[in-house]
Amino acid sequence: AQTVTQSQPEMSVQEAETVTLSCTYDTSESDYYLFWYKQPPSRQMILVIRQEAYKQQNATENRFSVNFQKAAKSFSLKISDSQLGDAAMYFCAYRSAWSISNFGNEKLTFGTGTRLTIIP
Amino acid sequence: EPEVTQTPSHQVTQMGQEVILRCVPISNHLYFYWYRQILGQKVEFLVSFYNNEISEKSEIFDDQFSVERPDGSNFTLKIRSTKLEDSAMYFCASRAMNTEAFFGQGTRLTVV
Repeated sequence: AQTVTQSQPEMSVQEAETVTLSCTYDTSESDYYLFWYKQPPSRQMILVIRQEAYKQQNATENRFSVNFQKAAKSFSLKISDSQLGDAAMYFCAYRSAWSISNFGNEKLTFGTGTRLTIIP
Repeated sequence: EPEVTQTPSHQVTQMGQEVILRCVPISNHLYFYWYRQILGQKVEFLVSFYNNEISEKSEIFDDQFSVERPDGSNFTLKIRSTKLEDSAMYFCASRAMNTEAFFGQGTRLTVV
């Protein structure tokens, strides 16, 4: 079974600065997807960024980028130019790639989350 | 933009009562999921549903839980006899063949 570990329960960053959230995972699979989800106080789960394991290039979405180290099983999220609206819980998540054996079963496995506070 | 809709947003129920949490997935999606998040804890997978049957379920999803897609648009989670420890946020999610999962806004279930 896959596991996802987020070792930073809380982080804070000054507005406009850069912050990096850490995530490690454990899997025996070679093909999979990794995600960062944001959960603001409204508690809705919002997809921030996605990384395919077969791609060496790190994913970026505007101010959000990842550092994907497949051999180290590490997947960190960097938020540049932090804004007050970035304050939220951030969850790292893992999903197996599609295969005949798990067709329809591609559930997400989440880490325990990191609460990010933005200091004005 | 299409979205997953969950109702109600908050449900309070007495221990031992049955509750039904409702979800309307995005219309062309094929895979449906329920997840649970106990306050302050991580989001946990409950069950996945495809082609009108359960694809996978977790250890949490015991005989007290059931899911149904009664009319081709709604996707429901039923808890037959609620316990205090069922109090949590319940998220519905759906996805198409080639998309990621879209989550609803959640239903907060409080068992008293």
